[in-house]
Amino acid sequence: AQSVTQLGSHVSVSEGALVLLRCNYSSSVPPYLFWYVQYPNQGLQLLLKYTSAATLVKGINGFEAEFKKSETSFHLTKPSAHMSDAAEYFCAVSDKQAAGNKLTFGGGTRVLVKP
Amino acid sequence: ETGVTQTPRHLVMGMTNKKSLKCEQHLGHNAMYWYKQSAKKPLELMFVYNFKEQTENNSVPSRFSPECPNSSHLFLHLHTLQPEDSALYLCASSGAGATYEQYFGPGTRLTVT
Repeated sequence: AQSVTQLGSHVSVSEGALVLLRCNYSSSVPPYLFWYVQYPNQGLQLLLKYTSAATLVKGINGFEAEFKKSETSFHLTKPSAHMSDAAEYFCAVSDKQAAGNKLTFGGGTRVLVKP
Repeated sequence: ETGVTQTPRHLVMGMTNKKSLKCEQHLGHNAMYWYKQSAKKPLELMFVYNFKEQTENNSVPSRFSPECPNSSHLFLHLHTLQPEDSALYLCASSGAGATYEQYFGPGTRLTVT
């Protein structure tokens, strides 16, 4: 069974500072990995995805993530936080052996941006 | 309308009521999903439909009954719910393959009284 662990349910950063959100996965096969963001009272929106191409993946809003097989990690970063980055972020792994696209989500990390 | 839409956005129902949640996707996808999002709990996959056929039921109680009449529409029929069923119910759709990302609707905030 696949699983995703997000270290830190809450992260507080200052505006302009580095944002680092940690994600570790467990999968019996090479995974497909996703980062989603959820703003208040909204559904989830895709930030970026890794599907076996380049290990450094660039996404929307200045975010990027690096797939490290040896560390089973897919951490999300943004060099300079903006107030609009305040949201909850979810890492997810895809079960390639399931019909369709079954995602297993981590518990989420809520980001607070301080002015 | 574009993307994935859900109605209603908010629903309050008593434990003896019957109600339905509706999801519609305008993206030409073949897979649709229901998720439950509760406070302090990870996002829980409830049901998966591929080409209108249910391919996943994640041990969901029978008081939740999904229906997928076509690839664009997904319903969640609710009856005799419990207060612990209060949550945000999210619908999503995707292409039929593991590399395809899921597109989410805004959710229905359900309160069971």
